[in-house]
Amino acid sequence: QKEVEQDPGPLSVPEGAIVSLNCTYSNSAFQYFMWYRQYSRKGPELLMYTYSSGNKEDGRFTAQVDKSSKYISLFIRDSQPSDSATYLCAMSAYSSASKIIFGSGTRLSIRP
Amino acid sequence: EAQVTQNPRYLITVTGKKLTVTCSQNMNHEYMSWYRQDPGLGLRQIYYSMNVEVTDKGDVPEGYKVSRKEKRNFPLILESPSPNQTSLYFCASSLVRTGFEKLFFGSGTQLSVL
Repeated sequence: QKEVEQDPGPLSVPEGAIVSLNCTYSNSAFQYFMWYRQYSRKGPELLMYTYSSGNKEDGRFTAQVDKSSKYISLFIRDSQPSDSATYLCAMSAYSSASKIIFGSGTRLSIRP
Repeated sequence: EAQVTQNPRYLITVTGKKLTVTCSQNMNHEYMSWYRQDPGLGLRQIYYSMNVEVTDKGDVPEGYKVSRKEKRNFPLILESPSPNQTSLYFCASSLVRTGFEKLFFGSGTQLSVL
C-alpha cells in the first residue's frame, strides 16, 4: 500500500465550478501537508501548506486536513481555465524537505 | 530571477551511453535533490544533498550517481542508462532552516533511453 494515495483523474469541470481534490494517507506521523501545482512541461510549485490539522485559506484556494480520517482536501472556488494543471499532494512527518512523500497527482481541466 | 536551472530539457540516448543532467540554483540553498516522475507513481526521490560534499540516497537510487562539489550545482549522472530509466526528471532545492522548508523545482528533463 502506498503511503499517499491520490486519484489520478483526469477531472474536467466547467469554469466557475467548485473543485475538490483529495488525498488519503496511511502514516499517522505526517504533520506537514502540502499541495503543489504543476503546469504542463513545468516543474511543480508550492501552492499551499498546512501544519497539523485544520483549514487554511488563500484567495480562491482552501486546504483542509482531517488527521482523524487521514484525509486532506484542496478546494478551488470560482475555478478558472488558468487553474488547469496537475495537482500533487505531498506530506511529511518532518519539516525537512528531504522527507516529503508525494502523491501521484490529479490532472484537472477547467472548461471555458 | 531566483530559479533552478536544468539542462538539457530533452534528451534521447541509447542503452549504456553515459550521460549527465546538470542542475544549478542561484538562491544559495543548502539542500538539493533529484526526483523522477512516472505516470501513476508520482515524484520519487533519487538522491539528495544537505550541503556541499554531503549526499544521501533517496527511494530509488539504483543506477544513478550524484556529486555536490559546489553549493549551486548538483549534477545527476547515469553511467550506463537503461530503458527503465526513461522518465521525467526534476531537480529541486530548498533553504535549510527551522520550520517548513519549501521546495523549488526546475522545469524538468525528459529522458528517453532506447
